[in-house]
Amino acid sequence: DGGITQSPKYLFRKEGQNVTLSCEQNLNHDAMYWYRQDPGQGLRLIYYSQIVNDFQKGDIAEGYSVSREKKESFPLTVTSAQKNPTAFYLCASNMGQAHQPQHFGDGTRLSIL
Amino acid sequence: ILNVEQSPQSLHVQEGDSTNFTCSFPSSNFYALHWYRWETAKSPEALFVMTLNGDEKKKGRISATLNTKEGYSYLYIKGSQPEDSATYLCAFMDGGATNKLIFGTGTLLAVQP
Repeated sequence: DGGITQSPKYLFRKEGQNVTLSCEQNLNHDAMYWYRQDPGQGLRLIYYSQIVNDFQKGDIAEGYSVSREKKESFPLTVTSAQKNPTAFYLCASNMGQAHQPQHFGDGTRLSIL
Repeated sequence: ILNVEQSPQSLHVQEGDSTNFTCSFPSSNFYALHWYRWETAKSPEALFVMTLNGDEKKKGRISATLNTKEGYSYLYIKGSQPEDSATYLCAFMDGGATNKLIFGTGTLLAVQP
């Protein structure tokens, strides 16, 4: 079945450590997105990519990095510069046209040890 | 800063009740309004993408209306069932950033049998 796979489901990070969250899609979608959810807030956009080898910062990109070397994959690295990384992270994709809905993965919950 | 507000924050209804909730968004530079349904432990699922003032969309017992001039959308559920229990998210797309969704905090609906 086509879909978006995020891994791992739960992730723990030590202080000062970088961690990478995986997002893979087999929907042949051009655009991919990373969101962060915190309690009491709406989903906030971290980074998005419209096409392979290109990506743009969203509203809260500081402390995060991404790459888009393959159409299917859009990994998110949470760096040690992100001072408050504990959150729920969702990856999404669509064909990149504004009127199309986004398809979401199941999310990764990141916690600080 | 663009703001999307949803009300109520949460709603408890009995099976068979009809219910509705509101999404408010900026009325200037409107491009699109998305509705998603997010069940616990699952990924958000697209319900509707609405683009034209006066749009009405329907999917089974769920329908939505759109008023872009005054900046609101209503989501209606007719004859609520326990399986409708979920968080309903709306997301606004501004004409100046047509690949960035701004999400509200959601309305949590609990339908009791």
